[in-house]
Formats: sequence, C-alpha cells, structure tokens
Amino acid sequence: SQQGEEDPQALSIQEGENATMNCSYKTSINNLQWYRQNSGRGLVHLILIRSNEREKHSGRLRVTLDTSKKSSSLLITASRAADTASYFCATAVIQGAQKLVFGQGTRLTINP
Amino acid sequence: NAGVTQTPKFQVLKTGQSMTLQCAQDMNHEYMSWYRQDPGMGLRLIHYSVGAGITDQGEVPNGYNVSRSTTEDFPLRLLSAAPSQTSVYFCASRVPGGGSTEAFFGQGTRLTVV
Repeated sequence: SQQGEEDPQALSIQEGENATMNCSYKTSINNLQWYRQNSGRGLVHLILIRSNEREKHSGRLRVTLDTSKKSSSLLITASRAADTASYFCATAVIQGAQKLVFGQGTRLTINP
Repeated sequence: NAGVTQTPKFQVLKTGQSMTLQCAQDMNHEYMSWYRQDPGMGLRLIHYSVGAGITDQGEVPNGYNVSRSTTEDFPLRLLSAAPSQTSVYFCASRVPGGGSTEAFFGQGTRLTVV
C-alpha cells in the first residue's frame, strides 16, 4: 500500500492565492521530499525536509513536518499559472532507506 | 549533461509480447529505480538497484525483470506483456545518502498493451 497520501486530491485556486497541500504517511521516515510533475513529464524535485526538521523554506515554497502526526504540508505562496501541476510527497523510510515511496499526488490548477 | 534518458517514449505491445524499456543516466548515480504511474495510484516502485550487480524488488515487481550490469544502465524487461501493464513508466536515479538525496527522473515511457 502507499506510504504517503496527499490531500486534497485536486485543488483549484486563483492566481495570487496561496495553495496548501498535505501529506500523511504511515511508518517512521528518514526524510520527506516534495516533487512536481507537469503534465506528461517526469517528476522534478522541489524540497527535502529531514525527520529532525520542522520547517523549511525555498523561494515561494514552505514545507512543514510533524513526525508525531506523521504528516507534512507544502505551501506555495503567491501562486502563478506556471505552478499548475501535480505535486507528490515521497518518503524515505528508515527501514530500507534506499527506497523512495510516493503518494498519490495533488493536482493543482491555478486559474488566471 | 543529459541526465536520465528513457527510450522509447511511446510503445504499443500486443498481449504476450516481450520488450525492454531502456534507462540510462550519465550522472554516475549508484541508485536507480523503476516506477509505474497509473491514474489515481501515484507512483509505485517496481524494482530498484543500489549499484552495479545489485537489484531488489519494490512494491509491484511481478511481471518485470531487471539487471544492472553497469552503473549507467538499468533496463526493465517485460517478459510477457499483459493489459494490466498498460501504464507510464519512470526511471529515476540518485546518489547514495541513506535516502537523503533527491531523485532525478526520466521523461517516462508510455506503454499500452492491447
């Protein structure tokens, strides 16, 4: 079964608004990563947060991690049309840390 | 650098046919993986390799074989294609680091089995 599950499955907002996506996972992790996938393309790494970190920023991205709740959130501020894509969380579990296990993704649509 | 290169980009097979999906990376990454992506299922790990000569099964290995004779190449073989293997296949690579490194993905192979 999937380690990570994103919520919501789909999100549609107006350009300029903030977008928040959530990821829950089941087992203890080494780190959690977020990826973006444009339609018909491969995945592109966005940001990595380690299990001993609680928050991380990269440009307009803010990621939080709550290991007690086994959850993470990705916030995209001041959204742009180019942010339209699917976003996936991926966990590197402690057991078998060579594997990255992906969630089902959130489809984000930014309306102009 | 080309990064991770997958070939072919599209393929149609008849049930029972065999084929090999190619994956090559030029970043000298030891770790390579194959995923399949189906609607509503996200990416599921098929097989992975932590170095030349070493492979292991992922979440959905049945019907697929892999080998890793060189650091650069990690081909995925379908021995007898089935309609359930219709999917988009992604190859990924990354450097060692206990999982604490980003993965680089190819552009995918869209496979249809009829």
